[in-house]
Order: sequence, then C-alpha cells, then structure tokens
Amino acid sequence: EAQVTQNPRYLITVTGKKLTVTCSQNMNHEYMSWYRQDPGLGLRQIYYSMNVEVTDKGDVPEGYKVSRKEKRNFPLILESPSPNQTSLYFCASSFSGDRPEQFFGPGTRLTVL
Amino acid sequence: QQPVQSPQAVILREGEDAVINCSSSKALYSVHWYRQKHGEAPVFLMILLKGGEQKGHDKISASFNEKKQQSSLYLTASQLSYSGTYFCGTGGINDYKLSFGAGTTVTVRA
Repeated sequence: EAQVTQNPRYLITVTGKKLTVTCSQNMNHEYMSWYRQDPGLGLRQIYYSMNVEVTDKGDVPEGYKVSRKEKRNFPLILESPSPNQTSLYFCASSFSGDRPEQFFGPGTRLTVL
Repeated sequence: QQPVQSPQAVILREGEDAVINCSSSKALYSVHWYRQKHGEAPVFLMILLKGGEQKGHDKISASFNEKKQQSSLYLTASQLSYSGTYFCGTGGINDYKLSFGAGTTVTVRA
C-alpha cells in the first residue's frame, strides 16, 4: 500500500531532551516536507527536501533540523525542544514536476513540558 | 508569507453553495487546495497552475486569478461529506516551498 508513515504518533517529552520524529514513504517520491499545525495558524512548512542531500528552509525552521540521506526517509530532529514546539506535525511527500499532489502522513502529536 | 483565506468558517445546509477565497501578497505560480477532516491528515483536492485552466473535482471547482494573486474554491450543491477544513497552499515559481493559509472550516448540515 502506498503510504507515508510517521513515528511516533504521540510523544510527550520535557524541555531540552533531544528527539527525532521519523518519516518514511514507499512511493519513490523526490519531494518530502515537514509541516506543523497549530490552531488558528493552519499548516506551516518547516523544512522541505527536493531530493537526496538537498534540503531547504520553509517558513518556520527555527529550532528544527532535517536530513535526507535516503530517498525514502526524512527525519525531523528537535535538538533542544521547548514548549512552543508543542504541536501536531505532518510529513508529506510528492513527485516533483508540474502536478505535485502531496501525500500526508498520519501526523505526530508532540507535547513538550 | 502565508496566504489569507476567507471566510474563517461557514455553515451550510445540504444542497447550498459556498465560495472560499485565498489571497496572496506575492506573485503566484501555483495554488493547491486540500481538505482535512477532523482528526485526519489533509487530502489533496486540486492544483491550479499559472496559465492553466479552471479545475474541477466532482462538484468542487476552483479558479485562479493570476493578476489579483487570488484563488477561489467553489462548493456546489454541498453534501455532508464536504464538511472539513479547507486549506489553500501557494507556491512561487518554484513549487517546492509551499505556504498554506489558516484554513476555512466548512460545516454541512442535513
């Protein structure tokens, strides 16, 4: 089944404790992206990647890191999480080109205490 | 810069029509529309490209006014399944950076 998977789905952590949220897709998509969703603010892009070893900042990259060492994986790293990073996070992927329909993962709900 | 969506929310009875607007302060190359149901991930509806044609998906269609940097999503003869939050995403000449609006919550009642 074609899908985007994220792990974990739920995470409660404390300020300053490094964490990684994994994202994997099995559709051979070139493009992958991370978004955070907060009430009243919609979806805001954190980072995106156009292909292996090619990443760039979205609208809200502060406090996050990403890497794209393999085409299928695009982990999101919070090196020192803070309470303002409490949010619902979505990973998405698509082919590149003129019709980039993005497929979203199920989301990861992160709470930083 | 996030695009601005209006209205923030709309309540409809089955069979009624609605329009959701999306405006950007920057020149656009593409407008993407997604729908998200409560507790689920966003799902792609359609994409409109600069110079392209108006698109349709069942009874949901959209237009793209490049000069005004605006797009509108039209819900025609709404059904209960149309309920959800609709997001527009805008892309510049490079589609890969995508900025989404805050969303419009649509509630369709029987």
